[in-house]
Amino acid sequence: EVQLVESGEGLVQPGGSLRLSCAASGFTFSSYAMHWVRQAPGKGLEYVSAISSNGGSTYYADSVKGRFTISRDNSKNTLYLQMGSLRAEDMAVYYCARARDILTGYYDYWGQGTLVTVSS
Amino acid sequence: DIQMTQSPSSLSASVGDRVTITCRASQGISNYLAWYQQKPGKVPKLLIYAASTLQSGVPSRFSGSGSGTDFTLTISSLQPEDVATYYCQKYNSAPQSFGPGTKVDIK
Repeated sequence: EVQLVESGEGLVQPGGSLRLSCAASGFTFSSYAMHWVRQAPGKGLEYVSAISSNGGSTYYADSVKGRFTISRDNSKNTLYLQMGSLRAEDMAVYYCARARDILTGYYDYWGQGTLVTVSS
Repeated sequence: DIQMTQSPSSLSASVGDRVTITCRASQGISNYLAWYQQKPGKVPKLLIYAASTLQSGVPSRFSGSGSGTDFTLTISSLQPEDVATYYCQKYNSAPQSFGPGTKVDIK
């Protein structure tokens, strides 16, 4: 059974940093691109970032470029999102999702989400 | 970047009604279009990919159509468990952006 489990939930002050993790199981992690999607309270889904299966390529939404870094450790079947210079508008539930490709994949499995709260 | 729009933003229909949701891309995306269902407080779930291919396990009352810029999600007979917000997503290129969502509830 495919499972994606996010962790790293927390409350952080504006300007602060936080690292999210997504532990994968039930599939060959190194064969899939992985993506982060977020959802602000009461709002829609927003693409955040993606990384290729081998970690060699990454992509970021303009809203997070230069502040967030996506990475993965295929030996640990884990995806990461390092978030810095956090703003109030970054407050959201963050989901990791599996896709066949970094550029052209749809999301067939999602994690349960982890909440990031940005507040002073 | 390609922008995705959806209409209506919300709708209310009776059990058994046929429901249609429209998604439009600002540029042609061939059939690189997916539909997701998100029930209140739950994780999004893939319903349809490649514009019209039903994901395994999804009830056959859901169907999708379209190509290029205009797409449709149809629920042939609305059921109480279909109360949710539905999102389209284009995935022909990064960023794989989503439409704003259509909230469906029961009249």
